[in-house]
Amino acid sequence: KQEVTQIPAALSVPEGENLVLNCSFTDSAIYNLQWFRQDPGKGLTSLLLIQSSQREQTSGRLNASLDKSSGRSTLYIAASQPGDSATYLCAVIQGAQKLVFGQGTRLTINP
Amino acid sequence: ETGVTQTPRHLVMGMTNKKSLKCEQHLGHNAMYWYKQSAKKPLELMFVYNFKEQTENNSVPSRFSPECPNSSHLFLHLHTLQPEDSALYLCASSQARGPHYGYTFGSGTRLTVV
Repeated sequence: KQEVTQIPAALSVPEGENLVLNCSFTDSAIYNLQWFRQDPGKGLTSLLLIQSSQREQTSGRLNASLDKSSGRSTLYIAASQPGDSATYLCAVIQGAQKLVFGQGTRLTINP
Repeated sequence: ETGVTQTPRHLVMGMTNKKSLKCEQHLGHNAMYWYKQSAKKPLELMFVYNFKEQTENNSVPSRFSPECPNSSHLFLHLHTLQPEDSALYLCASSQARGPHYGYTFGSGTRLTVV
């Protein structure tokens, strides 16, 4: 059974810092991996989708990497801003449309 | 608003009530999903519909009854719920097939059962 773990569970950093969020998964037979952000009480906003054949994806200040063989993905946020404060969720997409989520990293950027 | 719209945003219902959650997507996707998000738990898949046909029921109690009249609309009918069913219910859509698909989520319905 696929298990997705995100470390740390919570992170608080001053504005302007670069930071890395970690995601690990136990079964490397994944289709894709998707990073989302969730603001309190709201739905999920897709940030980046990495195909299993890709090593990384970039969007603005965000860069996500994928190492399928080791079961790891990282989300790098450059020059963090208070508006980046949210919960970040990692999800692996397996066959038969199974999206397995981690429990998320709650990020706080302090002005 | 995202391409996936959920209504209502908030719902409070008694255990004997019957209510429905609605989801609509304008992305041309042909797969739709219901997820449940409870406090301090990862999101849990409830149901999957492909081309209007239910293809997955993740051992969901029968007090939750999904309906998918077409590829753009998805409902979740609720009856005789329990307080532990209080959660954020999220609808999502995607392309059913193809290597580049990802998921688009709605804003969710916050359900409180009293």
